[in-house]
Amino acid sequence: DAGVTQSPTHLIKTRGQHVTLRCSPISGHKSVSWYQQVLGQGPQFIFQYYEKEERGRGNFPDRFSARQFPNYSSELNVNALLLGDSALYLCASSSTSDLYNEQFFGPGTRLTVL
Amino acid sequence: AQRVTQPEKLLSVFKGAPVELKCNYSYSGSPELFWYVQYSRQRLQLLLRHISRESIKGFTADLNKGETSFHLKKPFAQEEDSAMYYCALNTGTASKLTFGTGTRLQVTL
Repeated sequence: DAGVTQSPTHLIKTRGQHVTLRCSPISGHKSVSWYQQVLGQGPQFIFQYYEKEERGRGNFPDRFSARQFPNYSSELNVNALLLGDSALYLCASSSTSDLYNEQFFGPGTRLTVL
Repeated sequence: AQRVTQPEKLLSVFKGAPVELKCNYSYSGSPELFWYVQYSRQRLQLLLRHISRESIKGFTADLNKGETSFHLKKPFAQEEDSAMYYCALNTGTASKLTFGTGTRLQVTL
């Protein structure tokens, strides 16, 4: 297993555009979480999905949305991009939804908004 | 709201010296605490969690509820310990981690 995979690796967009980021979890993992990591900061929780349902949402505006597909892969969508959305977006998967479970992180997608 | 504080951005120690990476948290209930590590050009990965009470790669961390701390310690630093270390807190029922800003550990000869 290649672990958690994310695409694309890098992305450059302009203000006001829309972006879709993709994540494939480790085989057998049903939970996917998304984090935003701004330079110099720790990752900040955006969403968790488990069995295609939203289980948690961080303090992000409605411009951020996500979904999980029947194969447990996930997409993060961001509308009306702002300069401040420039960050590394991390996806993490785990086998269950509970808080004790180890999360396995992907390599991230580096988004630059110009 | 929960918060994690890592006061040091950079900690530089000599090989063989003891290491202590500080982590304080803010949460009134029963927290679940983790240390995650990111080695150069690698992914963020779990180092240890307080519930396991284990030693990983010589590192240990004890939850001190009185001081609301979860400091990471190792008696003798090795070069391969150089990395970015993040303390993280989970307070809900979901996998929703609150991370600190991280401490870069630099072990020099």
